[in-house]
Amino acid sequence: EVQLVESGGGLVQAGGSLRLSCAPSGFTFSSYEMNWVRQAPGKGLEWVSYISSSGSSIYYADSVKGRFTISRDNAKNSVYLQMNSLRADDTALYYCASGGRGSWYYWGQGTLVTVSS
Amino acid sequence: DIQMTQSPSSLSASVGDRVTITCQASQDISKYLNWYQQIPGKAPNLLIYDASNLETGVPSRFSGSGSGTDFTFTISSLQPEDIATYYCQQYDNLPPYTFGQGTKLEIK
Repeated sequence: EVQLVESGGGLVQAGGSLRLSCAPSGFTFSSYEMNWVRQAPGKGLEWVSYISSSGSSIYYADSVKGRFTISRDNAKNSVYLQMNSLRADDTALYYCASGGRGSWYYWGQGTLVTVSS
Repeated sequence: DIQMTQSPSSLSASVGDRVTITCQASQDISKYLNWYQQIPGKAPNLLIYDASNLETGVPSRFSGSGSGTDFTFTISSLQPEDIATYYCQQYDNLPPYTFGQGTKLEIK
C-alpha cells in the first residue's frame, strides 16, 4: 500500500523557520518526481515546489522562491522542504504529492504550518 | 506563468443532474490538464489526467474533454458522494504547475 507521511509542521513566529519531511512508502521512491502543494485555510490548492527523481531539477513557485528549499534523500526515502523567513501567508496545510509527470495520484494527509504574526 | 480560470466557483445541483465545470488556460497547454476532487478534510484525489483519461477506479460518470486552452469536466449523473470541491490543474512542459480556483459542488 502506498503511503506518504508528512511531518514537521507546527506553530512558528513570523520570520522563523521550519523543516517539513515526507516519507513515502509502497513505491520505488527514487524513480518518482516529488512535489509540495499547500492549501491555506478555506482556500484553494497552490503548487509550491518540485524536485526530479534524481534531485537534479528543482522548481519553486514565485511566492516561495528564495525562502524555501526542497531536497531529497533517495537512500532514506525522504523529501524535505526547508522553509525560512516564514510569513503569515505561508500558513497552510502542506501536502507532498507524487505520481506521473504533473499528475499526482499519490498524496499524503498533510502537515499544518501556522505562522503567527 | 500559465494562469487557469475555472468556473463556476460554486455550484448547486440535484441528485441525478448533469454537472459541468469549465477551465480555461491563459495559453495553449495541449492535453496537459488534470481534474482533482477534494472531499472536505481529505487530500485531493486525481480523477482525470491528460484532459480526458479516467484514472483507475474512478466511476465512469466522471469525464473530461478539451485541448489547447478550453477544457470541460462533467459528472453525468450527480451522486450524493460527489459533494466536494473540484480543481483543474495544468502541467504543460515544466513547472510551475498551476491550479484553477476550485469549484465547490453542493447538493440542492
